Amino acid sequence: DQQVKQNSPSLSVQEGRISILNCDYTNSMFDYFLWYKKYPAEGPTFLISISSIKDKNEDGRFTVFLNKSAKHLSLHIVPSQPGDSAVYFCAASWSGGSNYKLTFGKGTLLTVNP
Amino acid sequence: DVKVTQSSRYLVKRTGEKVFLECVQDMDHENMFWYRQDPGLGLRLIYFSYDVKMKEKGDIPEGYSVSREKKERFSLILESASTNQTSMYLCASSFSDRALREQYFGPGTRLTVT
Repeated sequence: DQQVKQNSPSLSVQEGRISILNCDYTNSMFDYFLWYKKYPAEGPTFLISISSIKDKNEDGRFTVFLNKSAKHLSLHIVPSQPGDSAVYFCAASWSGGSNYKLTFGKGTLLTVNP
Repeated sequence: DVKVTQSSRYLVKRTGEKVFLECVQDMDHENMFWYRQDPGLGLRLIYFSYDVKMKEKGDIPEGYSVSREKKERFSLILESASTNQTSMYLCASSFSDRALREQYFGPGTRLTVT
């Protein structure tokens, strides 16, 4: 039972355009969401997060949008750069436990073409 | 900067061997995690620890055990390695803080069991 879903295994965009990565979740108890970027043969790197009390969080070229009613979040990268080419993981957490485990999606491979 | 280090980047072991993967973090994080990453399956949680000598099973604990004798160190043990444990193993750590749920990952260990 997959609680965090990234339905697009891959996405290809042109340099300078917007990249939009999507994530859906099924557990309404999730109240904190994160995006990670992963290059091959490296560990994931934290990118940006959002609490369920917000609907948008921005950090430079990266913006995360949260639609709680649709149980959907998205990561926007503007403008996209070739160095953004990586696998992007969406993750979710809930505050019911004491250790805030993360549940990850399966990832989306983003390719930014020069 | 948070630093999470893993004892090996690449490891090749034979079926039936006992394998130790070590992880050290320098940020005084309470929580530590072991994941494995496989193509098409994303990151799956094997075990986590929220305090010294405390551990909890994750989603796929079968065939693994863990040890946390010191706060900064978390070990993953494969009691008798099997070929289906060939994978990328990732260690992560985080605070036990509702507002700071980001996990910080090590570079990963690519384990091959032959």
